[in-house]
Order: sequence, then structure tokens, then C-alpha cells
Amino acid sequence: GNSVTQMEGPVTLSEEAFLTINCTYTATGYPSLFWYVQYPGEGLQLLLKATKADDKGSNKGFEATYRKETTSFHLEKGSVQVSDSAVYFCALSRRGQGAQKLVFGQGTRLTINP
Amino acid sequence: GAVVSQHPSWVICKSGTSVKIECRSLDFQATTMFWYRQFPKQSLMLMATSNEGSKATYEQGVEKDKFLINHASLTLSTLTVTSAHPEDSSFYICSAWTSDGTDTQYFGPGTRLTVL
Repeated sequence: GNSVTQMEGPVTLSEEAFLTINCTYTATGYPSLFWYVQYPGEGLQLLLKATKADDKGSNKGFEATYRKETTSFHLEKGSVQVSDSAVYFCALSRRGQGAQKLVFGQGTRLTINP
Repeated sequence: GAVVSQHPSWVICKSGTSVKIECRSLDFQATTMFWYRQFPKQSLMLMATSNEGSKATYEQGVEKDKFLINHASLTLSTLTVTSAHPEDSSFYICSAWTSDGTDTQYFGPGTRLTVL
């Protein structure tokens, strides 16, 4: 079945540090890949997505590239800010007509210290 | 952007009572809504998929008679936890999907249920 594995947290960095959160997946076919972010007390927000191999999703300085050969979708940011502190979820969905179920990784809690 | 609300944001109830949680899409019509459960420091687990005007599809292991889902309109879905017990205490999150071509689910802020 489909599954997503994320790097275990929590991750603590200093402001302006480089961030990588690893995400690998197992899926049949060619899924769409997502990163969602959950700020304290809020719902999940879509951060970025990629729908096919070699696509790069980017938003708010975050990037992730859909790597089919390594079945990965690692999240990166060159210089993190305190406001980036949140829980990050990698997810996949099967592409097709209509709404597709999301399969989530376990989440990675990120804390950025000033 | 698309906004999804949930009500209530938190609820405490006694064991044996039923609790209803509402999920609304505020500025768009949601063809499909999903209900998730999230345990502390864990990921989201899909409970069921709800399409407007039809019966919900439940994931394996989720009791449909315990977690009643109704999707009566394109902007409202409800989850009723019947005869709640302490083990039902959790964070319940809904998401709404619209056929706008973006293939994106928009999430509500969640409802914290505590059963005493």
C-alpha cells in the first residue's frame, strides 16, 4: 500500500540556518506529493506540491523536488525564521478523477530559536 | 483563499453522551469532505470520505455506527461521535475538496474532544 516516511523530529535550529526535512514514499503508480504545515492551534495549510517527477514545488522560501528515482520529496529552506516553527507533514495522493485520499507521514516538529 | 471552519473548537463531554462536530467550507462549495483523527504527536489518520448527498465511505477499522457522518450540503458536513468513551478523546480534523482543478484539500482548524 501507499505510505510516507518522514524524518523524525523534533528538529531545533537557529534562525538563518539551513533546513532539510527528509521525506520518502512508497506508492503504486505516480502519486502527487505535498508538504503541509500546521502552526500551533491551527489547521493544516498546503505549503507546496508537485504532481510529476522532477517537478519542484516552492513557496515562502521552501522547496521540494519530486525525485522518482529515490522516491523522495525532501523539504528544504535556505534560511529559516522563528516564524517557521511548526509541524510539517509530507503527504501523497493518488492522482485521478475526483478527490483523492491523502496519506500522511508522521509529521516533523520544527522549532527555530532566535 | 479557501477557508474551512470547524465548530466547536473544543468540547468536553461525559462518557456515554453524543457529540456533533460541524465542518463548513466558508467561501467555496466542497464536493467532498474528509474526516481525520489525530492523536497527540502523531499523524493524521483518515476516518472517512464524505460526498455531498451520499453515504460516507469509512476506512477499515472505523466504526460507522459510532462515527456518524452527514454531508447534507456542499458547504456542511457533520461528524457525530455517538456514545462517546474516553478512548474517543482525540483531535478531529476535517478537510474539504473542490473540483477547481487544483487537486487541493483545505483543512479546518480541528476540534479537540475530551471524554471524561
